[in-house]
Amino acid sequence: DGGITQSPKYLFRKEGQNVTLSCEQNLNHDAMYWYRQDPGQGLRLIYYSQIVNDFQKGDIAEGYSVSREKKESFPLTVTSAQKNPTAFYLCASAPPGRKSTDTQYFGPGTRLTVL
Amino acid sequence: AQSVAQPEDQVNVAEGNPLTVKCTYSVSGNPYLFWYVQYPNRGLQFLLKYITGDNLVKGSYGFEAEFNKSQTSFHLKKPSALVSDSALYFCAVRDKGSSNTGKLIFGQGTTLQVKP
Repeated sequence: DGGITQSPKYLFRKEGQNVTLSCEQNLNHDAMYWYRQDPGQGLRLIYYSQIVNDFQKGDIAEGYSVSREKKESFPLTVTSAQKNPTAFYLCASAPPGRKSTDTQYFGPGTRLTVL
Repeated sequence: AQSVAQPEDQVNVAEGNPLTVKCTYSVSGNPYLFWYVQYPNRGLQFLLKYITGDNLVKGSYGFEAEFNKSQTSFHLKKPSALVSDSALYFCAVRDKGSSNTGKLIFGQGTTLQVKP
């Protein structure tokens, strides 16, 4: 899991609540990513950011929001608009630059459960 | 559209036997291919990647993968499986769209079960 931390490890949300998942990295990586993992579906990209103060929607951004105010931090908010938020959320980062060959390194994940 | 397929949901192998986890891809141009492993309730760990050059790529924990352009495959292999290799394995390809997002496209994963 390297220098990427995610918190909390487990998170429980009530219907209608917004919750924020933390992702911090000390690897001096420019790019950061949020993926959602559901059983049997692999990982799907929610949002990504290639530089501070800039981010773009991924394939399943509806019901989620992010910010990138600092290079080392990329928090993800799961809003009440996300109808099926129960999943395992993974944050990743990649080295400086925008090379397609760069390896993404993943954090340990946060498991979100809606009660 | 670029895609990755892992045709087997689960692979079972006896400890000490060779293992293969299959991956095929569909991309335009030269692919950038990755293998990751995930243990229960953990993040993904990078195993190896193919960018260019030798078709046989060696990675972490004794794993290797063979890039086969004619068969559009990138199968993960290990000569002698360990019980501790039991985990979920993901193949991924880098999205090479014009925006160069660095986005990875993942297969659905293959569970490897190594029995003593």
